[in-house]
Amino acid sequence: NAGVMQNPRHLVRRRGQEARLRCSPMKGHSHVYWYRQLPEEGLKFMVYLQKENIIDESGMPKERFSAEFPKEGPSILRIQQVVRGDSAAYFCASSPTRQGQMNYGYTFGSGTRLTVV
Amino acid sequence: EDQVTQSPEALRLQEGESSSLNCSYTVSGLRGLFWYRQDPGKGPEFLFTLYSAGEEKEKERLKATLTKKESFLHITAPKPEDSATYLCAASGGSYIPTFGRGTSLIVHP
Repeated sequence: NAGVMQNPRHLVRRRGQEARLRCSPMKGHSHVYWYRQLPEEGLKFMVYLQKENIIDESGMPKERFSAEFPKEGPSILRIQQVVRGDSAAYFCASSPTRQGQMNYGYTFGSGTRLTVV
Repeated sequence: EDQVTQSPEALRLQEGESSSLNCSYTVSGLRGLFWYRQDPGKGPEFLFTLYSAGEEKEKERLKATLTKKESFLHITAPKPEDSATYLCAASGGSYIPTFGRGTSLIVHP
């Protein structure tokens, strides 16, 4: 039973390009969460999605960032017109239910490390 | 706004030297307090959930405790393989955890 799969592991983009980060949740998990981790900072919540729905996007920057979790396929975090400040590790986590992570925690992927040059 | 503060930022121990990591939290309507372990280049790995003051949980050399304002992660007789960053997180009404910045632990042989 594969865990949460994120790809690519490393992504280099030039300023102004688009970055697409993919996340396939654990089998049986329909809740996906995206977090960003900057050097010397903790994990910061960005967005919470269920299949075809954004449940909570209170941590998403208002511009350039979007997320989706289609009926089929992985969840995508899209960053348009990247800037150097977007360089960070982006983690995806999944859980079977909204409350299910209380007893067993989130299952995190290994992250995508985005570098903007 | 929910806040989670961890101390110290970094901790160096000799193998076998027990110590504690601190997590202070301000969360409205605490639903759960979590501890995760994160190794370099990897995602966090779940360790414990604590739900109410006075609760304790253990796993090998780790024991987590909870009060109304703080949680402690006690490490007894640590080994080099316990070296990692330990993250504390707390969730309130939305169930979505707020994470602290972590404590980087290095255990020297």
